[in-house]
Order: sequence, then structure tokens, then C-alpha cells
Amino acid sequence: QQQVKQSPQSLIVQKGGISIINCAYENTAFDYFPWYQQFPGKGPALLIAIRPDVSEKKEGRFTISFNKSAKQFSLHIMDSQPGDSATYFCAASGGYAGGTSYGKLTFGQGTILTVHP
Amino acid sequence: NAGVTQTPKFRILKIGQSMTLQCTQDMNHNYMYWYRQDPGMGLKLIYYSVGAGITDKGEVPNGYNVSRSTTEDFPLRLELAAPSQTSVYFCASSSTSGGRNTGELFFGEGSRLTVL
Repeated sequence: QQQVKQSPQSLIVQKGGISIINCAYENTAFDYFPWYQQFPGKGPALLIAIRPDVSEKKEGRFTISFNKSAKQFSLHIMDSQPGDSATYFCAASGGYAGGTSYGKLTFGQGTILTVHP
Repeated sequence: NAGVTQTPKFRILKIGQSMTLQCTQDMNHNYMYWYRQDPGMGLKLIYYSVGAGITDKGEVPNGYNVSRSTTEDFPLRLELAAPSQTSVYFCASSSTSGGRNTGELFFGEGSRLTVL
């Protein structure tokens, strides 16, 4: 019930292409879905997040698409750049009164993205 | 601001030894967390704290202990280290807005621990 499954494990994209990473969750009580970006030797950093009252959220080249009925959400990176090469994690949390659970994230397994020049 | 600071960055332990991973944050955040990251497994929550004096277990707490005597500090104690505790450990904190956790975690740079 607490799992978040992420695919693919690794992804290679040419510069200017679209990178797509998918996640599926089981716990219908989840109501906060962030994506984190991690560079080698660094901690993860919040990239973009969505709550289930909207089906899409866009910030610059990064878009989250959310399908509540299918319990799936995805990250799209448009015009991918070599600087986007990193590990991306989807995550989910929520379902508890008062919002105290939002930091108790359940992470996906991670996707290593490589963008070739 | 330094954000979330973890020490040490690297450590090698022998089986059965104990040690403490230090974590401090200067953002006055109430919420703090310890996660461990293993290859292909994502990050898993070990312990968390909602404020000074209050801690609770996460998904994988066995073999670890925490304390939270101040808002700033949240050390993680490993007792009787085992090879299964070889991992990268991340401390994180998050703020509140209107009394609710924002959900945005600020991570430290990690502590890489090897148990031999």
C-alpha cells in the first residue's frame, strides 16, 4: 500500500529531446506528489510538486502530469539539456490529518537521466 | 545560510562499533528527518521529528536511535553497526505554513557510511 514504483531505471536522451519518467502509487490516501532532482554527491532538491486537485502543473521546462484514476503521475522535461543529467525521484505523501505527514515521503526507486550534447 | 549540515561526510566502521551522525539546520524548521539511500531503492525514512523533544519511527528504524533536544540538531545514532547499515544517510528539514507542513524537504549533502 505504501509503494511508489518508478520507471525507467535509466534514460538516455539527446539534447533538445523530451525526457519522460513515470511513477505509479498504491495508497489512495496520498495527496502530495513531489519530484526531486539529485546531482552526484549532493542531496536531493525539490524540483516540482503537485496535489491531486489538478491534472497538470508546469514550471518552465518541467511538467507533472497526474492521473488520479490510474494512480499514476509523470515528469516531462522539455528541451532536455546536458545540465539536466541527474537522478530523479518521484515521491508521495499525505493522508494524515493536519498535514504532518507531508514530509514523510515514500520515494520511488529513482531514474538516472543522461542527456547527450 | 548554511541550510542543513551533516557530519561526517564519510566514515568506515567495523561491525559492532557505534557512532553518531550529526545534523544541524539553521532555518528554524520544526520538522526534521533521517533518510537512507541505497542503490536502486530510492530513499527510505528512518526517523523523523516534529519538534524539539518529539521523535517517531519511520519505515526502517531498526538499529538506529535519534534525539531532538534543540530545534537545530537531530543526531542519528547507530548502535552495533552491521553491514546492512552500509548506505548514504541524508538528513532533511521542512517548514510549516499556517501550521501545516509544507512538504518541501531541504536535504543535507549526505553521510556515506561503510560497515566492514
